[in-house]
Amino acid sequence: AQSVTQLGSHVSVSEGALVLLRCNYSSSVPPYLFWYVQYPNQGLQLLLKYTSAATLVKGINGFEAEFKKSETSFHLTKPSAHMRDAAEYFCAVTRSGGYQKVTFGIGTKLQVIP
Amino acid sequence: DAGVTQSPTHLIKTRGQHVTLRCSPISGHKSVSWYQQVLGQGPQFIFQYYEKEERGRGNFPDRFSARQFPNYSSELNVNALLLGDSALYLCASSRAGAVQDTQYFGPGTRLTVL
Repeated sequence: AQSVTQLGSHVSVSEGALVLLRCNYSSSVPPYLFWYVQYPNQGLQLLLKYTSAATLVKGINGFEAEFKKSETSFHLTKPSAHMRDAAEYFCAVTRSGGYQKVTFGIGTKLQVIP
Repeated sequence: DAGVTQSPTHLIKTRGQHVTLRCSPISGHKSVSWYQQVLGQGPQFIFQYYEKEERGRGNFPDRFSARQFPNYSSELNVNALLLGDSALYLCASSRAGAVQDTQYFGPGTRLTVL
């Protein structure tokens, strides 16, 4: 079985501050990990994905995430928050070698304070 | 190129009715997956189809069914609607449905069951 836990359903940061969204995963086999963003009334957009290559993954809009096997974590970071980053962020996991049954976390709503 | 399109955008049904949701994948994509996103939660995997064959199924009752057509578009059918079926239904397409393929999400169909 596979699962992800997102710590903090709501996160607030000031504009220009560091963004850190936490995600821990559980998987019995090597996982593929994803971060998606969802803006109000829209579908999900892929920010970045880890597929067992480099452990530090760079994505779109200045986001990156680091896969840490020893901590079973895949936290999302961005050095400087912009107002346009306000959205809901989902961490997700699937197992390598299987079909695309992606398991999503509950989501973290990011608020950016001007 | 057009992204993933879904119709209708919004739908209101009453308990016990039947509903059909439609999805057109990105041109050249042969795999379609369906997800249910209940308010305040992350998306939950329902089905994946590839080349008109069901490749995977999530933990949903038999009231939920789907199919994929020769042009790779897809329908999700839900019978005997319950209040708990109220959700945003998301469709995602990918080139070949492999785990490492990026999934592109449509804007979703908002279903309200009264």
